[in-house]
Amino acid sequence: DGGITQSPKYLFRKEGQNVTLSCEQNLNHDAMYWYRQDPGQGLRLIYYSQIVNDFQKGDIAEGYSVSREKKESFPLTVTSAQKNPTAFYLCASSMGYANYGYTFGSGTRLTVV
Amino acid sequence: AQSVAQPEDQVNVAEGNPLTVKCTYSVSGNPYLFWYVQYPNRGLQFLLKYITGDNLVKGSYGFEAEFNKSQTSFHLKKPSALVSDSALYFCAVRDLRRGSTLGRLYFGRGTQLTVWP
Repeated sequence: DGGITQSPKYLFRKEGQNVTLSCEQNLNHDAMYWYRQDPGQGLRLIYYSQIVNDFQKGDIAEGYSVSREKKESFPLTVTSAQKNPTAFYLCASSMGYANYGYTFGSGTRLTVV
Repeated sequence: AQSVAQPEDQVNVAEGNPLTVKCTYSVSGNPYLFWYVQYPNRGLQFLLKYITGDNLVKGSYGFEAEFNKSQTSFHLKKPSALVSDSALYFCAVRDLRRGSTLGRLYFGRGTQLTVWP
């Protein structure tokens, strides 16, 4: 079945560590997105990519980095520069056409310990 | 700027009663509108969308939404609520401006729906 897979489901990070969240899709979608979700704040866009080897900052990119070396994969690294990384992270993909919505992964919950 | 507003953080309704979750939007040009549902610790699931055509759009799980251009609204509705409908609901609008980020969705802050038995 086609879909979008995020791993791990739960992740714990120590202060000062970088961690990488995985996002893989087999939907042949061109565009991929990373969102951060905090209670009461909805979804905030971190980074997005429309094609391989190209990506743009979203609204809250500071402290995060991404790569898009393959169409199927869009990993997100939460760096030590991100001062408040505890959140639920959602990856999504889309065909990129206006009448298509997003397909979301099941999310990764990151907690700083 | 493209945006959506969900004026209610929380909606409570008794099982069997009709439910409405409100959404208003602000866009340049014609709106492409979406509703998503999120269950605890899960990703968002697509419910329905309005692109063009009939103002009443039918979607998954018995949900429907009414597009009202004059009121710039896209309210989500269901004639008879179920306890299992309890979840977080998001409205979204697609950015179609020239030079925009190829179809980025702008999400509302979400509305928590609670259906009590």
